[in-house]
Amino acid sequence: QQPVQSPQAVILREGEDAVINCSSSKALYSVHWYRQKHGEAPVFLMILLKGGEQKGHDKISASFNEKKQQSSLYLTASQLSYSGTYFCGTTGEAGTALIFGKGTTLSVSS
Amino acid sequence: DAGVIQSPRHEVTEMGQEVTLRCKPISGHDYLFWYRQTMMRGLELLIYFNNNVPIDDSGMPEDRFSAKMPNASFSTLKIQPSEPRDSAVYFCASSFGQPNEQFFGPGTRLTVL
Repeated sequence: QQPVQSPQAVILREGEDAVINCSSSKALYSVHWYRQKHGEAPVFLMILLKGGEQKGHDKISASFNEKKQQSSLYLTASQLSYSGTYFCGTTGEAGTALIFGKGTTLSVSS
Repeated sequence: DAGVIQSPRHEVTEMGQEVTLRCKPISGHDYLFWYRQTMMRGLELLIYFNNNVPIDDSGMPEDRFSAKMPNASFSTLKIQPSEPRDSAVYFCASSFGQPNEQFFGPGTRLTVL
């Protein structure tokens, strides 16, 4: 079952914050976040395993609420380099394949 | 390490022709994934291998698509015969363990005329 991402697109000015959500209708074992710039391959940001943990990576962090089957990606004080399409991917059980959402396009302008 | 290597980077072919895409995963990685990306359908998993064995091919669109991994350092995705609707960017990715960070190759942009 493909996870649902929201919003589909976000437009920001440098320094502004954004939240991207990812939800699933089935129980989740892990949530993965990737960023893809135009014409390039997706690049790994972080992985969250069930347990409600939160992770951070510079000014990008994420949370995982396994009971609600949701994850959120937080981008604070956005930079121009944050522009791209963000994908969440989910697995239902350990060892199963990653299913990606349709992506959220983030545009940061100066 | 050079990362995941894919070839060719671009392929233009005519409907009905056979197309073979190639992938060399990162050395030591035991999982290999083939994805297809289009504007309409997003990033779709086609098939993945663990230790050279196909584990899940439920994403392969139809019998025209086949994938092999004869050894730990090489995989192919073949489309025969190709159709215009197969036009997409095909990514290969590898990881050490699952679930874990997947390293994507640069992709092959396939255009079927």
